[in-house]
Parts: sequence; C-alpha cells; structure tokens
Amino acid sequence: DAGVIQSPRHEVTEMGQEVTLRCKPISGHDYLFWYRQTMMRGLELLIYFNNNVPIDDSGMPEDRFSAKMPNASFSTLKIQPSEPRDSAVYFCASSLAGVEQYFGPGTRLTVT
Amino acid sequence: AQSVTQLDSHVSVSEGTPVLLRCNYSSSYSPSLFWYVQHPNKGLQLLLKYTSAATLVKGINGFEAEFKKSETSFHLTKPSAHMSDAAEYFCVVSDSFGNTDKLIFGTGTRLQVFP
Repeated sequence: DAGVIQSPRHEVTEMGQEVTLRCKPISGHDYLFWYRQTMMRGLELLIYFNNNVPIDDSGMPEDRFSAKMPNASFSTLKIQPSEPRDSAVYFCASSLAGVEQYFGPGTRLTVT
Repeated sequence: AQSVTQLDSHVSVSEGTPVLLRCNYSSSYSPSLFWYVQHPNKGLQLLLKYTSAATLVKGINGFEAEFKKSETSFHLTKPSAHMSDAAEYFCVVSDSFGNTDKLIFGTGTRLQVFP
C-alpha cells in the first residue's frame, strides 16, 4: 500500500488567498483525521471523519477552515481566506476502526 | 481529561549508548499509550503501543517502553542508539471519544545522536 498521500507537499500563498489541502487515506480505512503542527502549539487535532461523515470538528480554529470528505478515498481541508498565523504543517492520518493511526508526510503551508 | 508530559525537550546521546525518553501520563482510567517518531520533514510513524496487555511493550527499531501504573510513566528506551534514531519522539495517550479515540500528543522530545 502506498500509505496516506497528501498534496501538495509545500504550499506558499499570500494572505487572503484560498488554500486547499488534499488527502488520500489508506484504502479500506474508515477513519480520517486532520492535524496541524506548529512550534507554539504542537500537534492539534482539527477534525475527524468516520465513513466520510464529520464526527468531531471542535478543533477547527474558526470559520475560515472547512473540511470535506466526498468519498472514502479523498478529503480536503480548505482555508479561506488564509492568514499568516495559519502557517503550519498539516497532517492527514487514517485508521481502520481503531486507534492506530497512519500519518501522511504532511503539507507545509506558508502564508505570507 | 487525559494528558501526557514529556519531561525532556531535548536528549543527546552518543552512538552506541542507551536511550531514555521520559513520559508521564495522566488518566482517570487505564489508558492506551503510544510512542510516535517523526524524522525531519516526514510524517509520524508508530513505534509502539500499550493497550492494557503486557506492561513491557516492544516496538520497531529496537525500541521498547514499560507501562508503570504506580509511577504513571511510559518511558521509551533503547539499549544502543544509532545515528538513524535522531528524530522527534512523541508520547501519546488516547482519549476515548465516541467510537474511536482521539490522540493527545505530548510536546515532543528531540533526540540527537552524536558519533
């Protein structure tokens, strides 16, 4: 299996622009998680899905952030409009009905 | 609420010497505990997990951790460090939420290995 795939690996954008991060979970996994990692706050869970349905989005920082999972093999995390404080590494992880989560390589987002 | 505290932000060892990365947890019930490793510019990889079976857990790459309830600790050890072990290590506790568990990450310990 190719593992969790994220794209792009690096994204540089200007403040105010829309940013879309993409994730393909491991085939057959039924849970998908989005995390954000910063020096100040460490790793934070933003939102997670079960069978494509959002279960807990309490970690989403504000309305500028939204996530979708239109099918079992694809999810997006969108930031609109982006701000410099959104600069971070965003990780996607997936798991099969349990706690063992497999992480993607991450997307490093820089908002100038 | 569940939480973990990683007692050292940085640990430096020489190649071939033992590694000890310390972690204490707080939990109102028997927790599930994990260690993840993150190499530079990479995602997180599961090293090992404890889920109330054997208290001494063996993981990949020669790492192991011992669950000590009396000390609320879950320290990670390796008898002999290798240069490739240089990375960030996260102690993690699970917090049951609905049908799955949310992972609560520690702040991380950066391991440096000198030749």
